[in-house]
Amino acid sequence: QQPVQSPQAVILREGEDAVINCSSSKALYSVHWYRQKHGEAPVFLMILLKGGEQKGHDKISASFNEKKQQSSLYLTASQLSYSGTYFCGTEINRGSTLGRLYFGRGTQLTVWP
Amino acid sequence: SQTIHQWPATLVQPVGSPLSLECTVEGTSNPNLYWYRQAAGRGLQLLFYSVGIGQISSEVPQNLSASRPQDRQFILSSKKLLLSDSGFYLCAGRTGVIAGELFFGEGSRLTVL
Repeated sequence: QQPVQSPQAVILREGEDAVINCSSSKALYSVHWYRQKHGEAPVFLMILLKGGEQKGHDKISASFNEKKQQSSLYLTASQLSYSGTYFCGTEINRGSTLGRLYFGRGTQLTVWP
Repeated sequence: SQTIHQWPATLVQPVGSPLSLECTVEGTSNPNLYWYRQAAGRGLQLLFYSVGIGQISSEVPQNLSASRPQDRQFILSSKKLLLSDSGFYLCAGRTGVIAGELFFGEGSRLTVL
């Protein structure tokens, strides 16, 4: 049930761009993206529902391809505050498990000045 | 706004001892509630999911159990801890079954010695 994230780690200079990918072997109803700072709880970034939508928040955006069960998170002109571990969470499109959110192993993003 | 209070924040327990982690929800009623565990390098593992009082779905059949005695109270327990139970435990909630973001508690860091 766990989605697969790639890459495992990314190191950037401030102002550079990054893409984090998330894929599932199951048909998905939704994809969530969260960012976690060390020792803290994850913080919500955005949700994408099936329908192939794309969302954006400031310089962070995401897309969801429901046919391929894939989502990508795009971080443009990265800032120091973007550092942390990014998790995608997937909700499988099946009645018995709808409502359960499964997370990937995370992508550790480090932004240097 | 919805908040989750989770305690204790930190605990160190010997192998074979019991465990009780508790979280309470404010700001919403009838939330879906979740227990996740985060071990080093393993991402967020879904342990239990609850849609209502007394309704618990287990994702991981280990020596852990969960209970929901009240609408906004969720408890994680163990009768005998194992070394492998060490990790960062997160209680999360969600309003509505689907299409809603998760809001997390502050987390409980458990070390089993």
